[in-house]
Amino acid sequence: DGGITQSPKYLFRKEGQNVTLSCEQNLNHDAMYWYRQDPGQGLRLIYYSQIVNDFQKGDIAEGYSVSREKKESFPLTVTSAQKNPTAFYLCAGRHSTGELFFGEGSRLTVL
Amino acid sequence: AQSVTQLDSQVPVFEEAPVELRCNYSSSVSVYLFWYVQYPNQGLQLLLKYLSGSTLVKGINGFEAEFNKSQTSFHLRKPSVHISDTAEFFCAVRSGSARQLTFGSGTQLTVLP
Repeated sequence: DGGITQSPKYLFRKEGQNVTLSCEQNLNHDAMYWYRQDPGQGLRLIYYSQIVNDFQKGDIAEGYSVSREKKESFPLTVTSAQKNPTAFYLCAGRHSTGELFFGEGSRLTVL
Repeated sequence: AQSVTQLDSQVPVFEEAPVELRCNYSSSVSVYLFWYVQYPNQGLQLLLKYLSGSTLVKGINGFEAEFNKSQTSFHLRKPSVHISDTAEFFCAVRSGSARQLTFGSGTQLTVLP
C-alpha cells in the first residue's frame, strides 16, 4: 500500500536521551515535512525538505535535527536540547497539488 | 504572510443536526485552502480542498465548504452529522508560491446522541 509510514507509534524517553523518529514514503513526493502537535495549538512546523540532501528550519526547529539522504526517508531526531519534547509528531509528504499526506503519527513521552 | 483562524475550539452538536465549522484566513495573494480531519491518535486525513474554480467544494463523508473571497472565509458544513463525525478538524491555507501549509488551531466537533 502507498503512503507515509511513521515508526514507532509510541516512544518513551528518559530525560537527556536523543531519540529518532522514522518517516518513510513510497508516494514519490519530493517535499516532506515534520510537524509537532500539542493540545489546543494545532500543528507547528519543525523542519521541511524540498529535495534530497536539503532541508529548512520551520517555526520550532530548536532542539531537533533531520536528514534527507534519500527521497523516501526523512527521519527526525529529538535531541536532549529540546526542553519539552513530550508531544505527538506528524510526518507528511506534499502532493503536486499542494495537499499534504500524513502518516499516523508518533507519540513521544519523556519520563 | 499567511495565517488561519478557526473561531471555535469546541463545537458540540446533537446527532442529525447541521453543523458549521468556521475558518478565516489572511493572505495578500491567491490562496489554496484545505480542511483536514483527525481522529484520536491518528494522522490527518484530507476532507476537501479548494484550488480554483467553483467556490462550493464537496468532500468526503458528506462535508462541503464554500470559499468566500470577500469575507476571506472557508467554512465547513454538513447538513446532518453522525456520532462517527466526532473528531478534530483543521483548516489550512497555502498562499501564492509558499512552500508550506499554515494550519489553524483546530476545532473539536463532538456529536451527542
